[in-house]
Amino acid sequence: DAGITQSPRHKVTETGTPVTLRCHQTENHRYMYWYRQDPGHGLRLIHYSYGVKDTDKGEVSDGYSVSRSKTEDFLLTLESATSSQTSVYFCAISEATGSSYGYTFGSGTRLTVV
Amino acid sequence: AQSVSQHNHHVILSEAASLELGCNYSYGGTVNLFWYVQYPGQHLQLLLKYFSGDPLVKGIKGFEAEFIKSKFSFNLRKPSVQWSDTAEYFCAVRDDKIIFGKGTRLHILP
Repeated sequence: DAGITQSPRHKVTETGTPVTLRCHQTENHRYMYWYRQDPGHGLRLIHYSYGVKDTDKGEVSDGYSVSRSKTEDFLLTLESATSSQTSVYFCAISEATGSSYGYTFGSGTRLTVV
Repeated sequence: AQSVSQHNHHVILSEAASLELGCNYSYGGTVNLFWYVQYPGQHLQLLLKYFSGDPLVKGIKGFEAEFIKSKFSFNLRKPSVQWSDTAEYFCAVRDDKIIFGKGTRLHILP
């Protein structure tokens, strides 16, 4: 969708290497989220951010870290990639929380760890 | 903790058949409920949402969903499906963040 981009779109990396995925938004939305999508598991929340330098863990945060130094960028880092982290990663943004606001999703990053 | 259950993992229908995908949530407070669709190779898009008012919600592409508070359900319906409805459908509930169900793969036979 316009306003949110993820990079790279595809990546193949080796086990044990660090990997950083980027989510960039031009909507000035406060809330940003990283999900992973796996068959049979739906979307699972990894980390989320409710403002610059304010982040929190989701349900599957082990092995991942995030940073948000600017409103528009939310980075997801796999500190030492493992094969279990092969997945499709989606970033989402939201204008507000605790209300009727839904998410806008990015196009996803397909990560393969070999 | 909130959770969302989608009863059907994989549904196969012929064109023009009627569709109903089940969704139940567990949350006692005020809920915001969503259905998202993911077409093959694409990202998730919002189909419809409920946050208050009329429990029958109309969405895009002829979809609708009914919120039944007593049953903790938010089932998605469409009276006559098309081949282009082939996709994966996710029910979701929101408190401070959105929790997704595991998805239902819908395959429409031409």
